[in-house]
Amino acid sequence: DAGVIQSPRHEVTEMGQEVTLRCKPISGHDYLFWYRQTMMRGLELLIYFNNNVPIDDSGMPEDRFSAKMPNASFSTLKIQPSEPRDSAVYFCASSLDAVGVADQPQHFGDGTRLSIL
Amino acid sequence: DQQVKQNSPSLSVQEGRISILNCDYTNSMFDYFLWYKKYPAEGPTFLISISSIKDKNEDGRFTVFLNKSAKHLSLHIVPSQPGDSAVYFCAASGNSGYSTLTFGKGTMLLVSP
Repeated sequence: DAGVIQSPRHEVTEMGQEVTLRCKPISGHDYLFWYRQTMMRGLELLIYFNNNVPIDDSGMPEDRFSAKMPNASFSTLKIQPSEPRDSAVYFCASSLDAVGVADQPQHFGDGTRLSIL
Repeated sequence: DQQVKQNSPSLSVQEGRISILNCDYTNSMFDYFLWYKKYPAEGPTFLISISSIKDKNEDGRFTVFLNKSAKHLSLHIVPSQPGDSAVYFCAASGNSGYSTLTFGKGTMLLVSP
C-alpha cells in the first residue's frame, strides 16, 4: 500500500520566492497534518485538516504560510514570500481517526527538505 | 515551554543489551502516548503506543512503561540490534477526540555491533 507521498523531496529557492509543498495522504484517511522540523524547535504541528476542513491552524507561524486541502487526496502548504528562517524539513502525516479515540497513529511522509537562500 | 521532554539527545548501547529511552511530560491532560522511530531522510514511523489506563505495553522487543504519577514514560528495547539505530521521538496527546500530537525533540540511539 502506498504511504503518504510528499513532493518535492528537496527544494532550494531564493528568498522572496513562492514555495509550494504537496502531499497525498493515505487513501481513506480523514485527518491530514502538516509539521515542520527544525533543530531548535523539533517537530511542531502547523495545521491539520479533518475531512478536508482546516480544524486548527494555530501553529502556522505567519500569514506568509497558507495550507489548502481541495479534496481528500491532495493538500498543499504554501509559503509566500519565503525567508531564510523558513528553512526546515516539512512533513505531512495522515491518520484514519483522531489520536487517542480509535488508537490510530499518524503515518508520516518522507518530508520535504526546504532551503531558502 | 516544552510539554514533552526527552532530556537525552543521544544514547549508545552495545548490540544485545537493553536500550532505555526516557520521556517526561508536564501536561496532566495528556493520556495517550506514542513512540516513533526515524531514520535519516525518512519520515517518522509509528513504533508503539500506550494509553493512560495501562502502565505497560509490549510488542516484541519493544516495551513502553508509563508512570502517570511521575509523568514519565520509557521505551525499552531488548535485545538491541544495530538496525535499531535511529532517532526516537516520544509524543503525547490529550483525550476525547484530541487529534494533535506534541512531540519531544528526540533521542538518537546508536547500537554498535
